[in-house]
Amino acid sequence: ETVLTQSPATLSLSPGERATLSCRASQSVSSYLAWYQQKPGQAPRLLIYDASNRATGIPARFSGSGSGTDFTLTISSLEPEDFAVYYCQQRSHWPRTFGQGTKLEIK
Amino acid sequence: EVQLLESGGGLVQPGGSLRLSCAASGFTFSTYAMSWVRQAPGKGLEWVSAIDGSGGSTYYTDSVKGRFTISRANSRNTLYLQMNSLRADDTAVYYCARWGSSTLFYDCWGQGTLVTVSS
Repeated sequence: ETVLTQSPATLSLSPGERATLSCRASQSVSSYLAWYQQKPGQAPRLLIYDASNRATGIPARFSGSGSGTDFTLTISSLEPEDFAVYYCQQRSHWPRTFGQGTKLEIK
Repeated sequence: EVQLLESGGGLVQPGGSLRLSCAASGFTFSTYAMSWVRQAPGKGLEWVSAIDGSGGSTYYTDSVKGRFTISRANSRNTLYLQMNSLRADDTAVYYCARWGSSTLFYDCWGQGTLVTVSS
């Protein structure tokens, strides 16, 4: 199974700051990685697919990069609604797997 | 509007069975692969199972193989998850999710249904 390790577990930042979240795969997943946002009591929402493509309706402040085993989600300037939990997920290997999540909290 | 609506969750004893349903609307159901993803209370997301659009191919995570069965009724626009031999660690919110045809990731999710396995 492909293990995805996200870091940090918790990130404390203020609105307006830049957020950088990491996802590392235990084996290469090429560019077949996505990022999701989940707010309390809600289902996840797709943000980024295939490492760097924004999903429909996702603001330009969200960007993704990386390939192989190392990936990054960047939020250029945090808005109040961006504080949530973020998960990465790969589709290169079965079973599909998710990272354990990074909680982005208000400092 | 694309919608997924799960049902069938509830409290079940260890060793018991439950069948979850996910009613889809707003898109051509038969042309999309679908999945179940679960989330234990206070924990992260765990991929459970997937099925292709025709129902001919299915996939499972190791911890549910032999116990869970994913299926679909395209004529009814409904996805199912039959869960047998339930264990306490199956307790979670179960989400159905659509595998996007252009994104090739989960682009639409239901609101989830809670399954609690406890005596």
